[in-house]
Amino acid sequence: DVKVTQSSRYLVKRTGEKVFLECVQDMDHENMFWYRQDPGLGLRLIYFSYDVKMKEKGDIPEGYSVSREKKERFSLILESASTNQTSMYLCASSSLFRGGVAEGAFWGYTEAFFGQGTRLTVV
Amino acid sequence: TQLLEQSPQFLSIQEGENLTVYCNSSSVFSSLQWYRQEPGEGPVLLVTVVTGGEVKKLKRLTFQFGDARKDSSLHITAAQPGDTGLYLCAGERAGGTSYGKLTFGQGTILTVHP
Repeated sequence: DVKVTQSSRYLVKRTGEKVFLECVQDMDHENMFWYRQDPGLGLRLIYFSYDVKMKEKGDIPEGYSVSREKKERFSLILESASTNQTSMYLCASSSLFRGGVAEGAFWGYTEAFFGQGTRLTVV
Repeated sequence: TQLLEQSPQFLSIQEGENLTVYCNSSSVFSSLQWYRQEPGEGPVLLVTVVTGGEVKKLKRLTFQFGDARKDSSLHITAAQPGDTGLYLCAGERAGGTSYGKLTFGQGTILTVHP
């Protein structure tokens, strides 16, 4: 079974602190993601990485940075935590499933596997 | 702009009833996934549909992908209290290199009363 492990289930930090959220996956997946989840807003993508040392901004990157020094580990960093960053943070990893060729074109899809989440409260 | 509109947002039913959750978009998706999430946990993948018109069954759950790959539905037959949870649809946009990025609906909170 795929396992995605987030370092903390619950965190309480003070405004202005630098916060590190760690995520490790054990399935050799190329892609890793950080989402935040807020009531009524669903999951919103913060950053993702498709390879070691590669990163791309998602939909809401402001106030966050990421690091991927090793394939299995993807870290989310809150440079200076603020109360509006209180949220549930979810890490996910995925790999491409090669479906085949149809009408002369390759097709495939990915499936994401999530960690248990980190509930961060900034006070 | 929410690319995937999920409805209803809340569903409260009695054990034994049937229900359907909808996931709609104006965009085409190469695949669509359904997840179930329990409080305090991460989402767990239930199914992936990739072909327009595809129907997949998982015990009492039936998933359908629209012919045009823009919408999907989840139907639960004879709901049980153990089905209670947050159901999320997520789509991977068609065309280009998505790197597996998913667009999520807002979710449907299902409560099944004994």
